[in-house]
Amino acid sequence: GEQVEQLPSILRVQEGSSASINCSYEDSASNYFPWYKQEPGENPKLIIDIRSNMERKQIQELIVLLDKKAKRFSLHITDTQPGDSAMYFCAASGSSGSWQLIFGSGTQLTVMP
Amino acid sequence: EAAVTQSPRNKVAVTGGKVTLSCNQTNNHNNMYWYRQDTGHGLRLIHYSYGAGSTEKGDIPDGYKASRPSQENFSLILELATPSQTSVYFCASGDGATSGNTLYFGEGSRLIVV
Repeated sequence: GEQVEQLPSILRVQEGSSASINCSYEDSASNYFPWYKQEPGENPKLIIDIRSNMERKQIQELIVLLDKKAKRFSLHITDTQPGDSAMYFCAASGSSGSWQLIFGSGTQLTVMP
Repeated sequence: EAAVTQSPRNKVAVTGGKVTLSCNQTNNHNNMYWYRQDTGHGLRLIHYSYGAGSTEKGDIPDGYKASRPSQENFSLILELATPSQTSVYFCASGDGATSGNTLYFGEGSRLIVV
């Protein structure tokens, strides 16, 4: 089945700098790529997503890039704040449709003051 | 906001025992999912459902059964629990719309099998 690779698994950045998380997928039929943020002890929550008809999407400090040819997508958090510290998961839709999501293994982001 | 509630939130089970994790959603979503979360593996799909009466195998279904008796409820059943099933389990619901499929997760159920 579809595999989603996510790197790095651990990321530490200084407050105010940018953080980047990269994901790759295998199935060229994947057409939906959401990102979820999970705070300690809580459930994952959607923060931004992108569909295959777009290459770039931005919501405030969050930027998602999609390279369909390379089957890669990435999350960039600009001007990081301590509140951005969390676990981040990328996901890609499975071959059966956008309702089946395959998640990456997660990135633990720590923003240091 | 979407509401997905899981029970129990914490459970200690003995090896070989039966465990049932329950999930209820009040969003009228067609799709429901069970994931387990383990360090280094992220969220892995166990079973999912397209609606009442349907259950589908995810990526790691072995050792688990699922039941969707109604639109609102989706259960995960471990008939013979093993220590390798110690994990945090998340239920989620989604509407499966072509415009996007935001998943709404429950708060998680922490299971320890001793």
